[in-house]
Amino acid sequence: GAVVSQHPSWVICKSGTSVKIECRSLDFQATTMFWYRQFPKQSLMLMATSNEGSKATYEQGVEKDKFLINHASLTLSTLTVTSAHPEDSSFYICSAREIGVEYEQYFGPGTRLTVT
Amino acid sequence: AQSVTQLDSQVPVFEEAPVELRCNYSSSVSVYLFWYVQYPNQGLQLLLKYLSGSTLVESINGFEADLNTSQTSFHLRKPSVHISDTAEYFCAVSAGINKFYFGSGTKLNVKP
Repeated sequence: GAVVSQHPSWVICKSGTSVKIECRSLDFQATTMFWYRQFPKQSLMLMATSNEGSKATYEQGVEKDKFLINHASLTLSTLTVTSAHPEDSSFYICSAREIGVEYEQYFGPGTRLTVT
Repeated sequence: AQSVTQLDSQVPVFEEAPVELRCNYSSSVSVYLFWYVQYPNQGLQLLLKYLSGSTLVESINGFEADLNTSQTSFHLRKPSVHISDTAEYFCAVSAGINKFYFGSGTKLNVKP
C-alpha cells in the first residue's frame, strides 16, 4: 500500500518550452502533496506544499510563476516547469501525505528533467 | 530552522559486517526524526521514525537508530549487513506535520 507514482520518469526538453510532471497517489487519498528538488550529491529541497483544492505554498526562493503546481484532486498533483532553462535540469520528487496519517510522507520515484 | 548533516557521503562495508550511518541535526525545538532508504530507480521508503517515547527505534529489517538529544544525533546502525542493503540512506527531521529537512544522503555499498 501507500504507493506514489510519477510520470514521466525522465524527460528531455528544449530550452524555452514547458514540461509537466504528474504525481499520483495510487491506493490512498492525499490531501497534501509535496514537491522536492534534488541536485546531485545534495539534499532534497522542498519546493512547495500543495493542498487539494487550494493554492500551493512555495518555499522562499522558489519562483511560483516558473514552477506551477496544481492539486486538483485527492490523488493527483502536477508540477509544470514553464519556460525551462538548463539550470532547471534536476531530479524532481513528489511525496504525499495520506488523510489521517501524520508525520509520514510517501515518496514517488522521481522525475529526471534535462533541459537542453 | 532545522538542518540535517550526514557526515559520510559513502560507506563501503563487507557483507555481514556492522555498519553505522551518521546523522546530526540542529533544531531549537522538539523534532521528529526519520531515516529513509532509496534503492536505485525507486522512491524513498521509510525505514524508521522517532516521534516520541523510547529513543531507540527499530525497523523490521534489522536497522535501528538511537536518538541522542544531548549530541543531537540520530545514527542508523545494523549489526550485520546484507548485499541487499546496498542503497542510499537519507536522514530527515521535521518540526511539524509538513516541512521535512533532509540530509545529503549516504550511499551504503555492501561488498561480498
